[in-house]
Amino acid sequence: ETGVTQSPTHLIKTRGQQVTLRCSSQSGHNTVSWYQQALGQGPQFIFQYYREEENGRGNFPPRFSGLQFPNYSSELNVNALELDDSALYLCASSRRDRKNYGYTFGSGTRLTVV
Amino acid sequence: DQQVKQNSPSLSVQEGRISILNCDYTNSMFDYFLWYKKYPAEGPTFLISISSIKDKNEDGRFTVFLNKSAKHLSLHIVPSQPGDSAVYFCAASGGSNYKLTFGKGTLLTVNP
Repeated sequence: ETGVTQSPTHLIKTRGQQVTLRCSSQSGHNTVSWYQQALGQGPQFIFQYYREEENGRGNFPPRFSGLQFPNYSSELNVNALELDDSALYLCASSRRDRKNYGYTFGSGTRLTVV
Repeated sequence: DQQVKQNSPSLSVQEGRISILNCDYTNSMFDYFLWYKKYPAEGPTFLISISSIKDKNEDGRFTVFLNKSAKHLSLHIVPSQPGDSAVYFCAASGGSNYKLTFGKGTLLTVNP
């Protein structure tokens, strides 16, 4: 059983640029959620994808967008990067019909905006 | 507005003793609570959970207690081991919303 893999592991971007982060969900999982973890904070919910559609969104502006593909992998896109976007971005996959909320998290992508 | 609060940024205990990590919440709609453990350079790992219809759930060395009237939950680790040293996050969810709301975490250090 493969876990959740994220790429890249680290990334440095310049303010105003765009970035795409990728996530492969765990085998058997059909839902992908993205979280942002700023330094010293807990993970904050960005959005969730199920059946290739956004299914819930946190308090993040529209320049944060995503995709889910038929194989349940996902992308997080951030446009017009700001310095405050520097954070660890975590992807988590789960089974929609499992109410144990046992998300499996990836190791994250560390994004630095300079 | 922080709906899930972990007021202790850090906790240090001796190996073999009990570790008690606390979490408070404000949203009455939360009906499911989880604890995650996070090592550096790794993603959070699910540890244990509890539904709001229960007041206790046990899994090996880990026990979670829920006090709904106080909107408080705690994680007990007995006995604590050096390998338990990590950041522990409390998280909550409500209704059909699968979103998890996390606290800021507590760094647990278990000294040999």
